Amino acid sequence: DQQVKQNSPSLSVQEGRISILNCDYTNSMFDYFLWYKKYPAEGPTFLISISSIKDKNEDGRFTVFLNKSAKHLSLHIVPSQPGDSAVYFCIFGNEKLTFGTGTRLTIIP
Amino acid sequence: DTAVSQTPKYLVTQMGNDKSIKCEQNLGHDTMYWYKQDSKKFLKIMFSYNNKELIINETVPNRFSPKSPDKAHLNLHINSLELGDSAVYFCASSLAGRTGELFFGEGSRLTVL
Repeated sequence: DQQVKQNSPSLSVQEGRISILNCDYTNSMFDYFLWYKKYPAEGPTFLISISSIKDKNEDGRFTVFLNKSAKHLSLHIVPSQPGDSAVYFCIFGNEKLTFGTGTRLTIIP
Repeated sequence: DTAVSQTPKYLVTQMGNDKSIKCEQNLGHDTMYWYKQDSKKFLKIMFSYNNKELIINETVPNRFSPKSPDKAHLNLHINSLELGDSAVYFCASSLAGRTGELFFGEGSRLTVL
């Protein structure tokens, strides 16, 4: 039962352009939503979060959007930089976290 | 200093063996976790401990036994290893109630032959 889906396993974006990563979910009972970033041979690291009562949260170049009616979460990175190349996990939380499968983002210089 | 450290980082072993993966965090966190990332890249929680007490135990074979000697350590012991146990295992920690902000270790890649 896959409650969280990241349908794009990979994404390539030119440096300086906007990167948009998407995530869909089925469970309405999540309290908050997160994005984590993972570099090779490292553990995932927290990037940005949003609670279920908001529809947007911004932190520098990163903005997370939540569309509860569509059960859709997205992460916008603008402008994209080479250091953003990593795997991004969307994660949904209540008493525990449920991870998506990740999207590998490659920023092309 | 590594905040959450796991050892070993790589482990190759034969089916049927018993092995352990150790995890230590120096962040002063109350809660520690074990996650498994399988071949399909799903990251799934296995266990969660708060102050040495088990609070989450997902549907994991009882061949897997976590042990928390103190709140800074959470070790994972696996008996009678099977091929399907091959995966990357991540340890993580957080402050109590801050389940969204996990600090992960680098992962331990287990290969069962």
